[in-house]
Amino acid sequence: NAGVTQTPKFQVLKTGQSMTLQCAQDMNHNSMYWYRQDPGMGLRLIYYSASEGTTDKGEVPNGYNVSRLNKREFSLRLESAAPSQTSVYFCASSAQPLAGQGTYGYTFGSGTRLTVV
Amino acid sequence: QKEVEQNSGPLSVPEGAIASLNCTYSDRGSQSFFWYRQYSGKSPELIMFIYSNGDKEDGRFTAQLNKASQYVSLLIRDSQPSDSATYLCAVTGYGGSQGNLIFGKGTKLSVKP
Repeated sequence: NAGVTQTPKFQVLKTGQSMTLQCAQDMNHNSMYWYRQDPGMGLRLIYYSASEGTTDKGEVPNGYNVSRLNKREFSLRLESAAPSQTSVYFCASSAQPLAGQGTYGYTFGSGTRLTVV
Repeated sequence: QKEVEQNSGPLSVPEGAIASLNCTYSDRGSQSFFWYRQYSGKSPELIMFIYSNGDKEDGRFTAQLNKASQYVSLLIRDSQPSDSATYLCAVTGYGGSQGNLIFGKGTKLSVKP
């Protein structure tokens, strides 16, 4: 069981470069998320996709774009990297909650450590 | 703006003791409550969830929820050095986009042998 797979695990970018972080899940989950985690700031939601074909902004979307390629894959793109985007990025997925129930817990990928110099 | 507050710690307890981790949240509409454990350099791992007022036990872990006080706690009985990690509290609302989890900044727990 792979769960949620993120690539790459580590990346160093120069300011202004672009890159795409890849995420894929094999649990048939409808919802997928991108978070960043910074010391003292906790996990902050960048973008999410409640279901295939939809994406929405989270708390800190500036400087990022996303694509929900299909039900399995959700990518995060940095068009012009900045030092402020140095962080650990986590992808997560969850099942769609049934009517009348709260959200199910997330399963996280192993993370991507990104450094922008 | 939904907020989830946790004492950042570090919380230090001796091996075999009970560790008590606390969390308060601002949105009275929150329906689902989660505790994640995160080891240094690793991703968060779900250890407990609770939806209803009261206690929920799973092995050495007990989650407690008091919606009137907007308070969630996690008790770890017979703490072990392997429990040393950062514990993240997460809460959410009801379905749709409100289903997104809001995380606290975490409490670092250190269990001393």
